[in-house]
Amino acid sequence: DVKVTQSSRYLVKRTGEKVFLECVQDMDHENMFWYRQDPGLGLRLIYFSYDVKMKEKGDIPEGYSVSREKKERFSLILESASTNQTSMYLCASSGSGGSASYEQYFGPGTRLTVT
Amino acid sequence: AQSVTQLGSHVSVSEGALVLLRCNYSSSVPPYLFWYVQYPNQGLQLLLKYTSAATLVKGINGFEAEFKKSETSFHLTKPSAHMSDAAEYFCAVMGLGGGSYIPTFGRGTSLIVHP
Repeated sequence: DVKVTQSSRYLVKRTGEKVFLECVQDMDHENMFWYRQDPGLGLRLIYFSYDVKMKEKGDIPEGYSVSREKKERFSLILESASTNQTSMYLCASSGSGGSASYEQYFGPGTRLTVT
Repeated sequence: AQSVTQLGSHVSVSEGALVLLRCNYSSSVPPYLFWYVQYPNQGLQLLLKYTSAATLVKGINGFEAEFKKSETSFHLTKPSAHMSDAAEYFCAVMGLGGGSYIPTFGRGTSLIVHP
């Protein structure tokens, strides 16, 4: 079974802190994604990566950055956390090449509260 | 740009009744289409996917969806609802954008099942 793990289920940070959210997948997937999930807004793509050291902006990249130094690990960084970044953050991975591989496998999510 | 519209943020059915969750998409090329389910405090998991093979797709837990190109729809159905089906359901499209496959999710539909 594909496993996508996220470093924390719940996180509370103060405004202005630098926050790191870590995601690790164990299926050698090329593609990794970070989303935020807010009630009534569904999932919104923050950043994604199709390869090591490669990143692409999603729909809402402002206030976030990412790092992918190893294939299995994709980190989301909040440079200076703000209260409007309080949300559920979901990481996902998928393979590439062939139609069966575009399905995404999700981690359990990190609920971040910024006070 | 691609988009996904899920009609109805909440759908309420009685146990044993038909479940119908609506999804319409826009995409400039034939897409890959997915339905995901999210149970409380969990990440998303794949219910079913359309990848240009059969237009009627069967998924897990008795769910199925029909791809209708002329209507740009991919509605999710289940003949008889069970209490355990209560969850959030997301429709997603993976379409080409800028040479890469980009995921777009709908805002989600919360399925409520009454005894």
